Amino acid sequence: GEDVEQSLFLSVREGDSSVINCTYTDSSSTYLYWYKQEPGAGLQLLTYIFSNMDMKQDQRLTVLLNKKDKHLSLRIADTQTGDSAIYFCAESIAGNMLTFGGGTRLMVKP
Amino acid sequence: DAGVTQSPTHLIKTRGQHVTLRCSPISGHKSVSWYQQVLGQGPQFIFQYYEKEERGRGNFPDRFSARQFPNYSSELNVNALLLGDSALYLCASRHDRDGYTFGSGTRLTVV
Repeated sequence: GEDVEQSLFLSVREGDSSVINCTYTDSSSTYLYWYKQEPGAGLQLLTYIFSNMDMKQDQRLTVLLNKKDKHLSLRIADTQTGDSAIYFCAESIAGNMLTFGGGTRLMVKP
Repeated sequence: DAGVTQSPTHLIKTRGQHVTLRCSPISGHKSVSWYQQVLGQGPQFIFQYYEKEERGRGNFPDRFSARQFPNYSSELNVNALLLGDSALYLCASRHDRDGYTFGSGTRLTVV
C-alpha cells in the first residue's frame, strides 16, 4: 500500500536553512512532489522530481531523493518569514493520483 | 493566464442536502482531479478524469460522483451530505508530464 509520512512541525530562524523530510513506501512511485499551503489557500506546486533523479535544485529550493531508503527532503536556503506555511510531499505512479503526507508546519522566527 | 478556477469559494449546506462544486482547468489541460482536505490533514484523492473519462477513484462512498465536460471543466457532486463531508475540496489540472496545479478550493461546511 501507499503511505507518505512527514514530521509535524519545524521551527527555524530567519536566514537559516530549513530541511523538511518525507518518507514514502511505494517503490513504484515515479514522481515526487513538494507543495506549499498558506492559511486559507490552495496548494502551490513548489517543485517535483522524477524517481530516476537524485537531486534537483531550483533557486533557494533543493530536493534530495534517496530511493534506497525511500526518503525525500526539501531544503530551503535563506529561509524567510514568507516561507512560513504547511509543506506537503506527495507521490504518484506514472503521474496518476497523488498520495499526500500529513504536512509539515514550518514556522520562521524573525 | 488564468489558473485553475473553482466555484463557489465557500458554501454552507445542511445535512442530507446535495452539493455541486465546479472546476475550470488551465487552458489546454485535459486532466482534472478532485481532492478532499479535512482540517489538519493532507488532501485525499477522490476522482481523476482525463478526456472526459474516469481514470481513477479514491476510497469514497457512492454519494460522491463527478464528471468532465467536453471543454474539460468538471463538476463534483455529493449527495446526502454528512457532517463529516465538511472540508476544503480541491481541484487540480495537469498537462502531460507536468506537475499538478491546484485551485484555491471550495470550503464546504455541513451543519
